Amino acid sequence: NAGVTQTPKFQVLKTGQSMTLQCAQDMNHNSMYWYRQDPGMGLRLIYYSASEGTTDKGEVPNGYNVSRLNKREFSLRLESAAPSQTSVYFCASSEPPGQGSDTQYFGPGTRLTVL
Amino acid sequence: AQRVTQPEKLLSVFKGAPVELKCNYSYSGSPELFWYVQYSRQRLQLLLRHISRESIKGFTADLNKGETSFHLKKPFAQEEDSAMYYCALSPSYGQAGTALIFGKGTTLSVSS
Repeated sequence: NAGVTQTPKFQVLKTGQSMTLQCAQDMNHNSMYWYRQDPGMGLRLIYYSASEGTTDKGEVPNGYNVSRLNKREFSLRLESAAPSQTSVYFCASSEPPGQGSDTQYFGPGTRLTVL
Repeated sequence: AQRVTQPEKLLSVFKGAPVELKCNYSYSGSPELFWYVQYSRQRLQLLLRHISRESIKGFTADLNKGETSFHLKKPFAQEEDSAMYYCALSPSYGQAGTALIFGKGTTLSVSS
């Protein structure tokens, strides 16, 4: 099992460019999440998907959109990148309580720089 | 408001010294609390959770509801414990798709 995978690992964008961060999990988890990690700020939730077909905003959703493509994949899109979106982005997945461990499993992260 | 506070950005100790990473939370219900760890160049991973009441890699954490704390402790630090540690709270334990609320993290540096 690869667990949670993310692509790309690194990306540099110019202000105003768009891009999609990809996330996939092979653990058959129902729930998936996108977080951003900034120095001194910890991890903050951007969007999450409790189950296939549903998405909800987290703490810092502005400037982002998400798509739960299927049970395995949950992508994060930046339509018009801004320097404030320079961060490390983590995808995570989990199983709802009662259906196995609800521990969240994290991907390796995508380091994004917006110039 | 739901909040997790880790008051120390950096904790530096010598090998063999005791370690205590502090975590306080603000939550009106019964929280589920976790410690996650991120070693250098590795992904975030679960270290332990309070309901398991287990010791992982020599670390333990006890939930103190009176003090709303969940401090992480280890009696004798090792150099390989050097990492970033995050305390996290699950505000709606038992519900699907519950995202975690993270503290800002504490970097533990263990030197010989």
